[in-house]
Amino acid sequence: AQRVTQPEKLLSVFKGAPVELKCNYSYSGSPELFWYVQYSRQRLQLLLRHISRESIKGFTADLNKGETSFHLKKPFAQEEDSAMYYCALSPSDTGRRALTFGSGTRLQVQP
Amino acid sequence: DTGVSQNPRHKITKRGQNVTFRCDPISEHNRLYWYRQTLGQGPEFLTYFQNEAQLEKSRLLSDRFSAERPKGSFSTLEIQRTEQGDSAMYLCASTPVSSYNSPLHFGNGTRLTVT
Repeated sequence: AQRVTQPEKLLSVFKGAPVELKCNYSYSGSPELFWYVQYSRQRLQLLLRHISRESIKGFTADLNKGETSFHLKKPFAQEEDSAMYYCALSPSDTGRRALTFGSGTRLQVQP
Repeated sequence: DTGVSQNPRHKITKRGQNVTFRCDPISEHNRLYWYRQTLGQGPEFLTYFQNEAQLEKSRLLSDRFSAERPKGSFSTLEIQRTEQGDSAMYLCASTPVSSYNSPLHFGNGTRLTVT
């Protein structure tokens, strides 16, 4: 069975400060990791995934298999980044694509 | 809006009643997923379909829950004899199986309140 842990329920930073949202996972096989975001009154949507190695809206995340982590980072937070962030894991080696989500971290960026 | 559509948006029911939710996925998305989300938690996987075949069910899906996707297009999730613990947001998501890298596209959800 797989598990995703997001230790912080709330992260509050000031505009322009660096942000790091933590995510740790446990899975014995080969996982695919994602970050999903939910802005106020909007649906849950994909932010980024580790296989793409992309930067979206200034956010990046590196999969660290040794530490089983997939932390989300942004060097300079913006007020529009305020949202609920969910880390998710898909057991890509099984092909089922069903995601296991963490409990989420609310990011508040204050002016 | 051509995204995933869920109806109704809100449902209030009394304990013991049956409820049914509907999900219309993005057209031509083969896979359809149901998730449940309670306050302060992330979405929890319930079940998924590939076309009309229900391929997996979570143990969260008790025998009071049943999901169908009869023609491989829209899906319904029925909860029989609702309990207060069933109160949650029920999310539907879809994705094309043909594209491995395609993410899940979520609907806005149906919020169920059991009184």
